[in-house]
Amino acid sequence: KNEVEQSPQNLTAQEGEFITINCSYSVGISALHWLQQHPGGGIVSLFMLSSGKKKHGRLIATINIQEKHSSLHITASHPRDSAVYICAAQNYGGSQGNLIFGKGTKLSVKP
Amino acid sequence: NAGVTQTPKFQVLKTGQSMTLQCAQDMNHEYMSWYRQDPGMGLRLIHYSVGAGITDQGEVPNGYNVSRSTTEDFPLRLLSAAPSQTSVYFCASSYTRVSPPLHFGNGTRLTVT
Repeated sequence: KNEVEQSPQNLTAQEGEFITINCSYSVGISALHWLQQHPGGGIVSLFMLSSGKKKHGRLIATINIQEKHSSLHITASHPRDSAVYICAAQNYGGSQGNLIFGKGTKLSVKP
Repeated sequence: NAGVTQTPKFQVLKTGQSMTLQCAQDMNHEYMSWYRQDPGMGLRLIHYSVGAGITDQGEVPNGYNVSRSTTEDFPLRLLSAAPSQTSVYFCASSYTRVSPPLHFGNGTRLTVT
């Protein structure tokens, strides 16, 4: 079983829809990261959170530490949001903070 | 402000050849790392460095070498390329291992025939 699981693997939405991408992890973590990989391949960091909720523009990330679950929400989705969204767990202990990545969720937003 | 610069963008090698993937950052970051991305798998850590002169292995280090002689540069060397090393490689950096955000280079698509 992967230590970081994302769902769904693929997601198609119509412009304007509210989108949720889920991330579950099985390891103890110090933080959870959300990243965006553009169709051209570049990767940018969206959020790092260790509790509660963070918001940036139309993107909202939440985390429930007890349930070991995080969600990324996109409000009023737009075709330019089409990308692969990746969550990554930053864990404690021996590997001292190295990231464990999920496989990504490929989002396609249709006009 | 260039951020993280990775070269080359594309490379084709024959089995057994060696090459170096270059990574440089101009943000004075202590932490630098190399990942590979394969279809159907998450990014996997190859090697990382927490500062000049300090490197350590990640999840998939076999077949790769790194060095960190300066804060800015963190090259990844393939000693004897194998088809299993066909992948997209990303270099990333951050102020420290636990300080966001993680800045990524644009990737190198490597094909080994």
